[in-house]
Amino acid sequence: GAGVSQSPSNKVTEKGKDVELRCDPISGHTALYWYRQSLGQGLEFLIYFQGNSAPDKSGLPSDRFSAERTGGSVSTLTIQRTQQEDSAVYLCASSLRWGLAGDGELFFGEGSRLTVL
Amino acid sequence: AQTVTQSQPEMSVQEAETVTLSCTYDTSENNYYLFWYKQPPSRQMILVIRQEAYKQQNATENRFSVNFQKAAKSFSLKISDSQLGDTAMYFCASRIQGAQKLVFGQGTRLTINP
Repeated sequence: GAGVSQSPSNKVTEKGKDVELRCDPISGHTALYWYRQSLGQGLEFLIYFQGNSAPDKSGLPSDRFSAERTGGSVSTLTIQRTQQEDSAVYLCASSLRWGLAGDGELFFGEGSRLTVL
Repeated sequence: AQTVTQSQPEMSVQEAETVTLSCTYDTSENNYYLFWYKQPPSRQMILVIRQEAYKQQNATENRFSVNFQKAAKSFSLKISDSQLGDTAMYFCASRIQGAQKLVFGQGTRLTINP
């Protein structure tokens, strides 16, 4: 498809289980972001990948959260030993690496809604 | 630190009216970019309009325009002739030039009533 694709769309899991969320960015986009959107809240930055550079993990809330990006394309966000406070919509976005224009428009997927019981 | 604040959690107007959503931000940088994103019930965020801080002219995209007041660090969005399809969450965001992170506000839930 032409847009950012995320799966699963919805995930319900039990507390303590591990979950994996997948993001397939727009072809050719070298930058990939994960954000978390909790109910009634804004978007919280989690992690950023740019090409082969080391990812910016500064937004990951705990060591239970990790992400990888294989082959510079698909990314997986993993949450280990899920807690109820992890319940949120996890949004993925991609962008072309900005050049001189520098506006860095992000294109978002529809998100993965995670519910931890 | 970069912060974005949207002080209106919810707004509601009648179809065809004009509505203005407020946004303030705080940054010590001189070069940055500002954005308004729309998130309809489908959850997919869509860029509505963007503004480069070095440009004095306010950005306009059809029915959407901004009032960018750099000294006041204010970046409001005006929607003219509002339509039912404008019903969505609206997020204000900023990014420092050269930085990777887009920092978002808390969002404003806008409802357009028939």
